[in-house]
Amino acid sequence: DQQVKQNSPSLSVQEGRISILNCDYTNSMFDYFLWYKKYPAEGPTFLISISSIKDKNEDGRFTVFLNKSAKHLSLHIVPSQPGDSAVYFCAASRTTNKFYFGSGTKLNVKP
Amino acid sequence: DTAVSQTPKYLVTQMGNDKSIKCEQNLGHDTMYWYKQDSKKFLKIMFSYNNKELIINETVPNRFSPKSPDKAHLNLHINSLELGDSAVYFCASSHKGDNEQFFGPGTRLTVL
Repeated sequence: DQQVKQNSPSLSVQEGRISILNCDYTNSMFDYFLWYKKYPAEGPTFLISISSIKDKNEDGRFTVFLNKSAKHLSLHIVPSQPGDSAVYFCAASRTTNKFYFGSGTKLNVKP
Repeated sequence: DTAVSQTPKYLVTQMGNDKSIKCEQNLGHDTMYWYKQDSKKFLKIMFSYNNKELIINETVPNRFSPKSPDKAHLNLHINSLELGDSAVYFCASSHKGDNEQFFGPGTRLTVL
């Protein structure tokens, strides 16, 4: 039973527009959330994280929003660039170092 | 200057064989992990070692045996390979207590 779900396997966005990637989780005990970005033939690389004591964290063009009551988080990329085209994984944890990952959303940013 | 490296990158083998995947990190981390990315693309943790000691052991068949000769290495040995073992296996590392994990490029295992 998957505790972290990314229900959109793919997303296509025009360059310069906003990309919104969504993630849902079922375990209310999760207290830390991350987004990873993965290019083909490479391992995932850390992008941005958020603790459950916050509802927003921003890093440049990337912002993660957390809605604990809805058990939902989202990653906003503004403006989207072709180099952002990759698979994005969300992950959640309730104990240090043990993370549950979603199945990823493939983002395609069209020039 | 690769941070987390895995060998081999691709592994094709027959059912019933025994194979190993090696992982090394040069980041000075004390915790290492093995993940399996299955056909549905979920990344699932299999094992975690901290300072050569097993700290996470998910429900994984005992045909899978991790071995950590030192803090910089965590190898994965798989006995009696089955078709369902076909997947991409990722190694990762971190400092214990840090939430950011650094991943290797993955090993695509195909069992025929």
